[in-house]
Amino acid sequence: QVQLVQSGAEVKKPGASVKVSCKASGYTFTGYYMHWVRQAPGQGLEWMGWINPNSGGTNYAQKFQGRVTMTRDTSISTAYMELSRLRSDDTAVYYCARDQGGVPAPNNWFDPWGQGTLVTVSS
Amino acid sequence: QSVLTQPPSASGTPGQRVTISCSGSSSNIGSNYVYWYQQLPGTAPKLLIYRNNQRPSGVPDRFSGSKSGTSASLAISGLRSEDEADYYCAAWDDSLSGPWVFGGGTKLTVL
Repeated sequence: QVQLVQSGAEVKKPGASVKVSCKASGYTFTGYYMHWVRQAPGQGLEWMGWINPNSGGTNYAQKFQGRVTMTRDTSISTAYMELSRLRSDDTAVYYCARDQGGVPAPNNWFDPWGQGTLVTVSS
Repeated sequence: QSVLTQPPSASGTPGQRVTISCSGSSSNIGSNYVYWYQQLPGTAPKLLIYRNNQRPSGVPDRFSGSKSGTSASLAISGLRSEDEADYYCAAWDDSLSGPWVFGGGTKLTVL
């Protein structure tokens, strides 16, 4: 079955970087865009951006431009999200989610989601 | 502040019908589909309603979605204890806010 498995929890100091991985299985990795969404404690969901696993092309939310980098390794069907210059308000659960329709469009949705990776930023 | 506006909480007793609203603007709900995700405690979000009112296979017909203008609603009838969860609406946004925007979530409590 289609599955996304993310890396484990991380604790980082302010100013550091974190890289979260998302390993896909059960489908053709390069055929579906991958999104990243985060959820701060007790808060709602926030879309961060997407990556085209085939070309490596990316589209980042304006809020994260300059601090986020999304990459992929097609040989191991894994997508990565790296966030730099971490601040305390970056403490959140980070999710990867597959674009159900392949290419992002208003008539597509996120399915499935990874299990989430808790990133804690604390001095 | 989330781009889409949801009430922070809702509640009902078993068997009751509850609705959760989601308000947006012309650049998101007003011109694009609305999606609803259910997040059970300690788990990742899961698709509940797609394209305004469509249910994925496996989702009970107790769940229904609707949209009118720049607002949408999720209705849950025959409320059950296992429906206690957080519910999020989402839509594509044609402005610089997007492209994907979410509501702040509604915590549903089954009394």
